[in-house]
Amino acid sequence: NAGVTQTPKFQVLKTGQSMTLQCAQDMNHEYMSWYRQDPGMGLRLIHYSVGAGITDQGEVPNGYNVSRSTTEDFPLRLLSAAPSQTSVYFCASRRQGGNQPQHFGDGTRLSIL
Amino acid sequence: AQTVTQSQPEMSVQEAETVTLSCTYDTSESDYYLFWYKQPPSRQMILVIRQEAYKQQNATENRFSVNFQKAAKSFSLKISDSQLGDAAMYFCAYRSAITGNQFYFGTGTSLTVIP
Repeated sequence: NAGVTQTPKFQVLKTGQSMTLQCAQDMNHEYMSWYRQDPGMGLRLIHYSVGAGITDQGEVPNGYNVSRSTTEDFPLRLLSAAPSQTSVYFCASRRQGGNQPQHFGDGTRLSIL
Repeated sequence: AQTVTQSQPEMSVQEAETVTLSCTYDTSESDYYLFWYKQPPSRQMILVIRQEAYKQQNATENRFSVNFQKAAKSFSLKISDSQLGDAAMYFCAYRSAITGNQFYFGTGTSLTVIP
């Protein structure tokens, strides 16, 4: 199993550009999430999904869109990039129920100029 | 929303010694799960240990153990026989067993291991 795969690992954008961060998992996990990690602020939840076709907002959803057309994929779209979105982004997945932990991808470092 | 507090931004420990990282959380719920994650310089998030709130026994994973004090809402991580590879950022996380969709993370503690 590859686990959770995120692409790209690094990206530089100009203000106003749009892009999609890809996330795929091969563990048949029901739950998938996107987090951003900023210095001194830990990980903050952007959006999450409890299954194909179902998404919901987390703590910091503004400026981001998600969709979940399949169990495996959960892309994160930046509609119009802003410097405040410069961050490291993590995708995570987990199995439903109990004390299941999150399994994380390796992260995407995104810089908005 | 629940809050998770890690009051020690940085900690250091001598190799082979023991160190304890603190975590407190705020919740009105009685059923939840707690986790410690490690993030080395490689940026990967690695699960260290987990604890169910309904279990009184503290979780242990090799050199890692927790001191779970439910009434005090405290969940500290003890690392015994510290190794150079333990140097990393450590995050405490909370997840409700009831509403359960969101993990809430603390701001992290950066651990340095001194040879």
